[in-house]
Amino acid sequence: AQSVTQLDSHVSVSEGTPVLLRCNYSSSYSPSLFWYVQHPNKGLQLLLKYTSAATLVKGINGFEAEFKKSETSFHLTKPSAHMSDAAEYFCVVSAWSNTGKLIFGQGTTLQVKP
Amino acid sequence: DVKVTQSSRYLVKRTGEKVFLECVQDMDHENMFWYRQDPGLGLRLIYFSYDVKMKEKGDIPEGYSVSREKKERFSLILESASTNQTSMYLCASSPRQGHSGNTIYFGEGSWLTVV
Repeated sequence: AQSVTQLDSHVSVSEGTPVLLRCNYSSSYSPSLFWYVQHPNKGLQLLLKYTSAATLVKGINGFEAEFKKSETSFHLTKPSAHMSDAAEYFCVVSAWSNTGKLIFGQGTTLQVKP
Repeated sequence: DVKVTQSSRYLVKRTGEKVFLECVQDMDHENMFWYRQDPGLGLRLIYFSYDVKMKEKGDIPEGYSVSREKKERFSLILESASTNQTSMYLCASSPRQGHSGNTIYFGEGSWLTVV
């Protein structure tokens, strides 16, 4: 069975400093992993996805994530936070099936202080 | 551009009313999903459909039903709304896949308040 755990429910950084949002997963199969972002009162937007190609995945808005099988982790990083990055972030694992069913983490709220 | 449209952004309904939430996608995707999102509980899958007239229960189907008469449209129905169904509802779609990894695209969400 697949599961995903976001290790921090809330992260606060200052503008211009690095961002690290942590995610661990559990999967019986080689997983597909995603990060989605949700701005207030909006739907979810895909930031990036890992599907067994390169382990370092680059996404939109300067975000990237590294798949580490030995640590079962898929942490999201950005070198320099911007005020517009303030949002909720979801780490997601795809269940191994034809339906594309996703399993969501509980979410991490990123606060960016001026 | 990919588009998933939820026709109602904000609704207020009375307890016991029948409620329809409509979702349309313009990408010819086979799969469509309904989630609800609640603070502290994250996103939970209510129902999904992998083809016209096909549906499967998700993790929390009780109190809900769905309809998929056309490929582009997936409706969520609350037969008799209750206050514990006050939530944000998110519709999503994705292409059929032979291997997990295809992206799911989300609508903007429908905020439902049941009073």
